[in-house]
Amino acid sequence: DQQVKQNSPSLSVQEGRISILNCDYTNSMFDYFLWYKKYPAEGPTFLISISSIKDKNEDGRFTVFLNKSAKHLSLHIVPSQPGDSAVYFCAASQGVRYGGSQGNLIFGKGTKLSVKP
Amino acid sequence: NAGVTQTPKFQVLKTGQSMTLQCAQDMNHNSMYWYRQDPGMGLRLIYYSASEGTTDKGEVPNGYNVSRLNKREFSLRLESAAPSQTSVYFCASSLRLAAGGNEQFFGPGTRLTVL
Repeated sequence: DQQVKQNSPSLSVQEGRISILNCDYTNSMFDYFLWYKKYPAEGPTFLISISSIKDKNEDGRFTVFLNKSAKHLSLHIVPSQPGDSAVYFCAASQGVRYGGSQGNLIFGKGTKLSVKP
Repeated sequence: NAGVTQTPKFQVLKTGQSMTLQCAQDMNHNSMYWYRQDPGMGLRLIYYSASEGTTDKGEVPNGYNVSRLNKREFSLRLESAAPSQTSVYFCASSLRLAAGGNEQFFGPGTRLTVL
């Protein structure tokens, strides 16, 4: 059973427009959510994160929104650039106080974003 | 400042052979992790080390062993490789354990094929 789901394997967007990547989760004990970007033949790189006590976090062109009641988060990239083309992974962690293992990040399967010039 | 380095980048093994994947970080991080990524899948945690001298199982530890040699180095060993262990292996590190939003920094990966 997948605890973190990214239901869109791919997304294509025009340069300059908004990219919206979605992520759903099932475990209400997750207390932190992270987005990673991955280029081919490279390791994932951290992009942005959000605590479960917040509903929005911004960093430059990247904004993450969290809707706890819907168990849904999204990553907005505005404006999208060709260099943003990569696979984006959503990840979640469950703190020890909620019975989680401190080492675990649970990853979704990823969404491949293509930004066309 | 190299970040997280992994060796080798590629490896082909025959079923039953053994090998060790090496990982080192130069960021003075306390915690280190080993993940595997299979096609169409997210990353899954194999083992992690909260600090020097400690290791714990992750989601998919069977068939693997680890050693936290010192603060910088964390190795992953396959004692008897099986085709099901064909995957891309990523090492990561973080200042402290990932819970609480402490982001992990990843190495470039080792692509392992077991025939």
